[in-house]
This record gives sequence, structure tokens and C-alpha cells, in this order.
Amino acid sequence: GAGVSQTPSNKVTEKGKYVELRCDPISGHTALYWYRQSLGQGPEFLIYFQGTGAADDSGLPNDRFFAVRPEGSVSTLKIQRTERGDSAVYLCASRTSGSSYNEQFFGPGTRLTVL
Amino acid sequence: AQSVTQPDIHITVSEGASLELRCNYSYGATPYLFWYVQSPGQGLQLLLKYFSGDTLVQGIKGFEAEFKRSQSSFNLRKPSVHWSDAAEYFCAVGGGSQGNLIFGKGTKLSVKP
Repeated sequence: GAGVSQTPSNKVTEKGKYVELRCDPISGHTALYWYRQSLGQGPEFLIYFQGTGAADDSGLPNDRFFAVRPEGSVSTLKIQRTERGDSAVYLCASRTSGSSYNEQFFGPGTRLTVL
Repeated sequence: AQSVTQPDIHITVSEGASLELRCNYSYGATPYLFWYVQSPGQGLQLLLKYFSGDTLVQGIKGFEAEFKRSQSSFNLRKPSVHWSDAAEYFCAVGGGSQGNLIFGKGTKLSVKP
């Protein structure tokens, strides 16, 4: 079956611009996570959705970052006024409901480069 | 606060040799522990996980890991490495009730023919 997909695979933007990164989770997965992976680091948690609501956004670095999941499926991570430090691979993961530690299935990521 | 340390940034082993990747965690209670593998252009794939019970956990692709509470460790092992195992390996601990994961910085594995 189809896995988690993310678009675009690569995004190059200029400092100060606005970007949107999209995540299509596995069908039926109610839980969705966003992580950010900077060069030479492991993924860092950004935000967690259960259904349509952001149940935990404690990992968002500042108010330039925002994410939505209006219909409980596709999610969009939005970054305003991008900075060079935002350059990273943004990963999305989804899992089934039930245990919080059911396996998370990761997408291939979106590589964001801010010039 | 929870944290994960992977002391080895890069390891090179010969094909057919055994492998052990180290992971140490910091967590107040009984941890949920995971090993993921990341190949170039691929998403993270779960190799195995430990929640409770038997401290020796078997995973996919012939990997196993052993939970040692006294050493706060969860090292990954494989008895005989294949060239296709070359990738980056991440250890992670469950960060809270919502299931978010806290990852180490990863260990890159290279395999010599």
C-alpha cells in the first residue's frame, strides 16, 4: 500500500519568503507528527496532530512556524519569513490510533534550503 | 529531560563482520526505546522497539538490541553485516504520552567489501 508522501521533495527559497510543506499520511492513520532534521542531527519533534487538532505543538521553534490538518488527513507545515537557520529536512510521520507508541511510518522528507 | 546519546558518529565494518551500535538514554521512568534506519532518499524505517518484558529484542533484517537498565543502554547488534546495511542508524526514546520521539544524532555505518 501507499506510504507517507511529502511534497515537494526539495524546496529552495529566499530569506524572508513564505513556504508550505505538505504531508499525505497513510490512509486511516489518525495521528500525525512533524519533525525537523538539521544536517548532522537526528530528527527533532515539532508538532503532533490527533485528528484535526494539534494536540502538542511544544516543539515548534517560534511563531513563524504553524501547521494545520483541517480534515484530519493531509497536513501542511507553514513557515513565515524564512531564515537561513530554517534550512533542514522536514519529516512527516503517521501512525494508527490506539497506543501512542504504535509504529510511526515516516515519509521521505522535504529538503528546505533558505538562501 | 529525556535524551539519547549515540557516541559513535561513523563506524566502518567489513562485510560479514559483526556490528554493535551504541545507544545511551536518559529517562526517569521505564523507557520506550526504538532503533530506526535511514537510507539515502528513504524515510526512516523502524528496525525494532522495546517497551517491556524480555530485554533482548529481535527486529527486522537480522538486527537485535538489548536493553540494560543498569547501564541505561540499548545497543543494536547484528552478527553478520551485509553491504546493504550501509545507512544511518538512529536510536530514539519515547518523549511523552503523545508518542513523540526523541532521537540521538545518529551513527553512520559504512560497509567495506
